[in-house]
Order: sequence, then structure tokens, then C-alpha cells
Amino acid sequence: SYELTQPPSVSVSPGQTASITCSGDKLGDKYACWYQQKPGQSPVVVIYQDNRRPSGIPERFSGSNAGNTATLTISGTQAMDEAEYYCQAWDSSTVVFGGGTKLTVL
Amino acid sequence: QVQLQESGPGLVKPSETLSLTCTVSGGSISGYYCGWIRQPPGKGLEWIGYIYYSGSTNYNPSLKSRVTISVDTSKNQFSLRLSSVTAADTAMYYCATAGSIGYRFDPWGQGTLVTVSS
Repeated sequence: SYELTQPPSVSVSPGQTASITCSGDKLGDKYACWYQQKPGQSPVVVIYQDNRRPSGIPERFSGSNAGNTATLTISGTQAMDEAEYYCQAWDSSTVVFGGGTKLTVL
Repeated sequence: QVQLQESGPGLVKPSETLSLTCTVSGGSISGYYCGWIRQPPGKGLEWIGYIYYSGSTNYNPSLKSRVTISVDTSKNQFSLRLSSVTAADTAMYYCATAGSIGYRFDPWGQGTLVTVSS
């Protein structure tokens, strides 16, 4: 079965750039999206179709996807960005989530 | 604005069947893929399966033998049944919709916690 691999944790200082990776076989041939989940809340899409931002998501969130790796980049990270982030892709007609990355802003 | 709301028992006994319903308001589920995703306490997201509004389904292979997802377009609802539950099925269960295969799941319901315990 298809798998997506994320680092368990990433740390970043306020104002700096955070990068979270998601790896999967030929992931670049699929669309990747990213969800942000804060404690006690449902996941929210922050990036879809590799690099598109839903309305209401700050411009500091961006994405890329090529080869075997999709990357979520948060520029000028703020304390409010501290959360769990999950990548997700479709393998044929099945849905796959990455294991999640805890982003700590310190 | 489309909103989703999960409903169903919060406590299910081991070996019994978990049943949840997702009610969609603010828009029609016609044309959408209606999915169920769960999250055990302190763990990551796991896709359970989805149903297209027309009735075609696809399930996570690891759960396929125990899962049934159905849709009632007249009520703008879709439902999940998970049989023979164990403590490992204790989780927050979310419903969500996707516009097409390959698209994002958006929006999500608020989730409902289901505990499997005698």
C-alpha cells in the first residue's frame, strides 16, 4: 500500500521559515494537500493541489511537490502556527495521510 | 457555507457495530465524495473510506472487511457502520467531503468521539 512519510517534529523560531516534508513514491505525480490541526480542533486545509491556498489562509503558507517529496513552507512563522500538520494524497482512488508533523514555535 | 455534523453513540461495546451519521447543511452532497476519517487519541489521521453521492464506495483495505458506508441524498446524509469493534477502534471520527478524486477534503465536521468499552 502507498505510504507518506513525515518527520515527527519540526522546531522553528518565531519569524523564521519552517519547512515540513512529506515523502512518497512518485508523490510529485500526484496532488498533495496539507492540513493544519490544532488541539481539540478538526483539521483545516492550508494547501491543496500542491501549492494552492484556500481563501482565508495567510500568504505565509506555501507548498511545492516534485519527485518524491512535497514540502509545506511557512514563512515568517508565528506562534499561532504551532500545530500538527498532515500531508495527504490520493493513490489511484484511495486516500493516504502522512503520519503528521508537530510544529513547535519557540 | 457547507457544514458537516457527525452524530451517533459515543460509547459502543466490544464486538458490536459502531454507527455514525454525517448530516450536511448549507449545500447538497450531490457531486461530492463523502468520506470518513478517524483519529485515535494522541495519534494521526486514518482514512476509513468514502462514498460517491451516486453510491459507489472505496474503503481502506485494512478496514474493508468491517466497514460499510451508505448515502441518503434525500436527507443529505451519509453514514458509517463499523462492525466487530474493539478498543483499537476508539477514536475521534470525522466526516468530510471532497469535490473529486484527487481533491482536498474540505470542509470537515467537528468530529465525534467514539469509545469502545464494556
